[in-house]
Amino acid sequence: GDSVTQMEGPVTLSEEAFLTINCTYTATGYPSLFWYVQYPGEGLQLLLKATKADDKGSNKGFEATYRKETTSFHLEKGSVQVSDSAVYFCALSRTGANSKLTFGKGITLSVRP
Amino acid sequence: DAGVIQSPRHEVTEMGQEVTLRCKPISGHNSLFWYRQTMMRGLELLIYFNNNVPIDDSGMPEDRFSAKMPNASFSTLKIQPSEPRDSAVYFCASSLEGGYGYTFGSGTRLTVV
Repeated sequence: GDSVTQMEGPVTLSEEAFLTINCTYTATGYPSLFWYVQYPGEGLQLLLKATKADDKGSNKGFEATYRKETTSFHLEKGSVQVSDSAVYFCALSRTGANSKLTFGKGITLSVRP
Repeated sequence: DAGVIQSPRHEVTEMGQEVTLRCKPISGHNSLFWYRQTMMRGLELLIYFNNNVPIDDSGMPEDRFSAKMPNASFSTLKIQPSEPRDSAVYFCASSLEGGYGYTFGSGTRLTVV
């Protein structure tokens, strides 16, 4: 079945550091890929998505590229801020009726001033 | 759009009592999902509906849990009787189709004492 694997956490960075959070997936065909973010005490919010190979999703300075050849969707940001401290979830889904998101375990990011 | 609305935001109840969590999805969305989040187990999909019909309830932990979606604008998750191990944050999410991603509610934090 479909699955998503995220790197182990937590991750602690200093403000303005470069961020990479690894995500790989196992699925047949061409699923859509997502990154969700959960700030403390809140629900998950869609951060960015990509629906086909080589697509780049971007939002709030974060980017991720759909790499079919390596089955990866790594999240990057050039300069993190304290306000980026949150839990980040990678996920995949298929289109069509009865589809659902398959989430990775999530990784906690803490950014120090 | 008001987003996905969950109620109550917080619920504290005694072991053995019945608990009902409520969710109003985004108008026009045809899929609805119930998740449970704990530190130990992370984010777990309990059940999801498509066009008000339950599609997969394999994540429902046991018979004490039940979910209904009587119409396109309302769903409930009921626990009867509740137990301390049910303490968690319960999220509801809705989507037009899985491939477009979900919109999550703010969650209900349930504490069973």
